[in-house]
Amino acid sequence: DAKTTQPNSMESNEEEPVHLPCNHSTISGTDYIHWYRQLPSQGPEYVIHGLTSNVNNRMASLAIAEDRKSSTLILHRATLRDAAVYYCILNKWANFGNEKLTFGTGTRLTIIP
Amino acid sequence: KAGVTQTPRYLIKTRGQQVTLSCSPISGHRSVSWYQQTPGQGLQFLFEYFSETQRNKGNFPGRFSGRQFSNSRSEMNVSTLELGDSALYLCASSLDVQETQYFGPGTRLLVL
Repeated sequence: DAKTTQPNSMESNEEEPVHLPCNHSTISGTDYIHWYRQLPSQGPEYVIHGLTSNVNNRMASLAIAEDRKSSTLILHRATLRDAAVYYCILNKWANFGNEKLTFGTGTRLTIIP
Repeated sequence: KAGVTQTPRYLIKTRGQQVTLSCSPISGHRSVSWYQQTPGQGLQFLFEYFSETQRNKGNFPGRFSGRQFSNSRSEMNVSTLELGDSALYLCASSLDVQETQYFGPGTRLLVL
């Protein structure tokens, strides 16, 4: 299975943009790039996903490199509520019914007031 | 719409006991998946149900089982509990098997 690499932790000031990187150099042509986040004591929360083109939704933007070997989750204006562990995951479907899938350790984002 | 709900939220059991966890998916969602999350192993897939049929199963022993009802609600059961079964058990639902999953808050199980 294709693997992803993320920094263990990042910090950002409140109300500033945050760029969370993810490397996935072994991505296959059919893998979707998903981002989930997990707040303390909660289940993972869907953020965004994409295949080739950049994607925007009300929560964030996803910028995908032209060669698809890396991507960046962009939070346009971080709030304290955005403090969470962010996971970048690859899967051939939009769903995760895959026995081999794990979320890994993700990036712990700290927002500084 | 209400999100995915899981009951109970917290549970303490002793070794050898069995436990049943419940998950109610988002209204209209027909696919339900279960995951185990631990600090050491991260989030691992247990099984997936769609229209009352198990479609996929992860690499867990037979002590872990599940089922889905006609209203898409799902239960998972763990028999003969072991200390290593202590974890956060998460349920996720989606409209269909290839759609984005939405997670519930989880049931935190502690086995003593």
